[in-house]
Amino acid sequence: GDSVTQMEGPVTLSEEAFLTINCTYTATGYPSLFWYVQYPGEGLQLLLKATKADDKGSNKGFEATYRKETTSFHLEKGSVQVSDSAVYFCALSRAGGTSYGKLTFGQGTILTVHP
Amino acid sequence: DGGITQSPKYLFRKEGQNVTLSCEQNLNHDAMYWYRQDPGQGLRLIYYSQIVNDFQKGDIAEGYSVSREKKESFPLTVTSAQKNPTAFYLCASSRGQAQADTQYFGPGTRLTVL
Repeated sequence: GDSVTQMEGPVTLSEEAFLTINCTYTATGYPSLFWYVQYPGEGLQLLLKATKADDKGSNKGFEATYRKETTSFHLEKGSVQVSDSAVYFCALSRAGGTSYGKLTFGQGTILTVHP
Repeated sequence: DGGITQSPKYLFRKEGQNVTLSCEQNLNHDAMYWYRQDPGQGLRLIYYSQIVNDFQKGDIAEGYSVSREKKESFPLTVTSAQKNPTAFYLCASSRGQAQADTQYFGPGTRLTVL
């Protein structure tokens, strides 16, 4: 079945450091890929998404590129802020059969940014 | 403002009781979902509904039930048959069920079994 694997956390960085959170997936066909962010005690918010190979999603300084050849969708940000501290989830959606409309999530990566 | 509301934010239940979690959306979305989140894990799908009066089981439906009598409402009942119900429950909705459709999430309900 479909699966998403994220780098294990927690990740701790200083403000203005470069961020990479790795995400790889297993799925047949061409899924859509998403990054969601969850702030403490809240629901998930869409951060960015990409729907086909080589697409780059971007938002709020975060970027991720859909790499079909390596089945990856790594999240990057050039300069993190304290306000970026949250849990980040990589997810995929694939149409067809029982997977229609369902999001498959990675386990989440906790990011803490210190001043 | 359009969005998804969930209530209550915190819920405490005694063992053997059924409880119902509310989810309402005013986004005019056709599809709605319920997920369960446990510490250190991703979200797992409990039930989903594509249209009114229709719903399907997700990956972990045992011990849960839902209804979809109105487009904007998708309540989840956690029954006494659910062996380990303490978790964070998230409701979501999307315009449709195409794989590129974004799911929008509510703020969640934290259920604790005493």
